[in-house]
Amino acid sequence: ETGVTQSPTHLIKTRGQQVTLRCSSQSGHNTVSWYQQALGQGPQFIFQYYREEENGRGNFPPRFSGLQFPNYSSELNVNALELDDSALYLCASSAGQNQPQHFGDGTRLSIL
Amino acid sequence: AQTVTQSQPEMSVQEAETVTLSCTYDTSESDYYLFWYKQPPSRQMILVIRQEAYKQQNATENRFSVNFQKAAKSFSLKISDSQLGDAAMYFCAYRRGATSGTYKYIFGTGTRLKVLA
Repeated sequence: ETGVTQSPTHLIKTRGQQVTLRCSSQSGHNTVSWYQQALGQGPQFIFQYYREEENGRGNFPPRFSGLQFPNYSSELNVNALELDDSALYLCASSAGQNQPQHFGDGTRLSIL
Repeated sequence: AQTVTQSQPEMSVQEAETVTLSCTYDTSESDYYLFWYKQPPSRQMILVIRQEAYKQQNATENRFSVNFQKAAKSFSLKISDSQLGDAAMYFCAYRRGATSGTYKYIFGTGTRLKVLA
């Protein structure tokens, strides 16, 4: 048990819609990262937040955005959904930027 | 840019036997960390073992050990006395060191390990 909780577990959307995925970290975990894992692939880094500020971004377009809140929860927002956005989205948190990341179970997003 | 390569899409091992999963990486940095994560069908990424690049000694965690060859940029995982519960996807991952900006993980494409009874 990592103490990182993601919701919802599974979500189905259609092209063009918007989606918000949520992550709840352990108390004291001030760093959260989001990853996209397409079927049969390894996770790809989307972005990282440290103390509520974006601290690095992978090769994802601006329609992928995030927020981190003082209560150690965070959100991943995706606008104008495309078929290729279908994937498992993983949240990982840590007690500091140089500490091991603890992953949640992920949200499976399916785009029709 | 850093890359991580896992050239074995799938491996099989008999229960109680030993198996080695391969991983190579490319980086120009000297300070970094390497990890092996296990992802069972439940989807959660579970840390198996971690290696600091500045440490020459290979990391071990019970039945799991690594062979870290820094010059060759190779980081293989050895699982001894394989158990049915070891069946999962295994991902090798790289992370920059403490002085190098964003602490993102770079993952390989994974190796599916099957354990045969």
